[in-house]
Amino acid sequence: EAEVAQSPRYKITEKSQAVAFWCDPISGHATLYWYRQILGQGPELLVQFQDESVVDDSQLPKDRFSAERLKGVDSTLKIQPAELGDSAMYLCASSLGVGLTPLHFGNGTRLTVT
Amino acid sequence: QQPVQSPQAVILREGEDAVINCSSSKALYSVHWYRQKHGEAPVFLMILLKGGEQKGHEKISASFNEKKQQSSLYLTASQLSYSGTYFCGTASQGGSEKLVFGKGTKLTVNP
Repeated sequence: EAEVAQSPRYKITEKSQAVAFWCDPISGHATLYWYRQILGQGPELLVQFQDESVVDDSQLPKDRFSAERLKGVDSTLKIQPAELGDSAMYLCASSLGVGLTPLHFGNGTRLTVT
Repeated sequence: QQPVQSPQAVILREGEDAVINCSSSKALYSVHWYRQKHGEAPVFLMILLKGGEQKGHEKISASFNEKKQQSSLYLTASQLSYSGTYFCGTASQGGSEKLVFGKGTKLTVNP
C-alpha cells in the first residue's frame, strides 16, 4: 500500500536555528497538507496545497514558517528561526481531492527545540 | 471552531463496548474519524455526511445526528488492536472549509 513519506523522523535543534522537513505524498494525490500536533492535542492545519498552489495558510506563522510545493509533488516545510514553542510533531498528509476524501498521513517528524 | 470530544479517555476490557462522542457548535456538513496509535500516523476510519448517515468499519460504526450536530463512534466487542487515540475532524461546508480536529479520546483496551 502506498504511503506518505516524511523525513527526518526526529529532529533536535537549538532555538534560533533553521529546520526543514520534507514530505513525499502518495502518487497522484493533488492535495497536500502540513499539520502540527502538540502532545495530547489533535492535528492543527498549518498549510494546504492544491497541486503547487497554496489553498489555505491562515494558521501558518508566516514570520518564521514557510512551505513550498514547487512541482506539485513533494513539499518542504521550513522554520527559521525555531522557537521553543515549535516543539511538536509535524505531520504531512495527502488526499486525492478535498472535502470528502480521506487524508493519508505520514509518520511525521518529531521536532524538539532546546 | 474545534469540536469537543467526550470522554477524554476510556479504559475497557477486551470484548466490552464503548461510545465516543464528537460535538460541534457549528452546523456540520461532514465528520471524519481517525485512529492514531502511539508513535504512529493517524489512520482514516470513516467519513459521515449530514443526513444522519450511519456507517460501519469492521466492528466500528458511527452515526451523525444533524439535529444535535454530533457524531458518535461505536466500538463493539473491543479488541486489543482498538487501543489508540480517536480523533474526529469536522467540516462545515462540503469542500471549501478545512477539517478541524478535536483533542482526541484515548482508548485503552486491556486483556
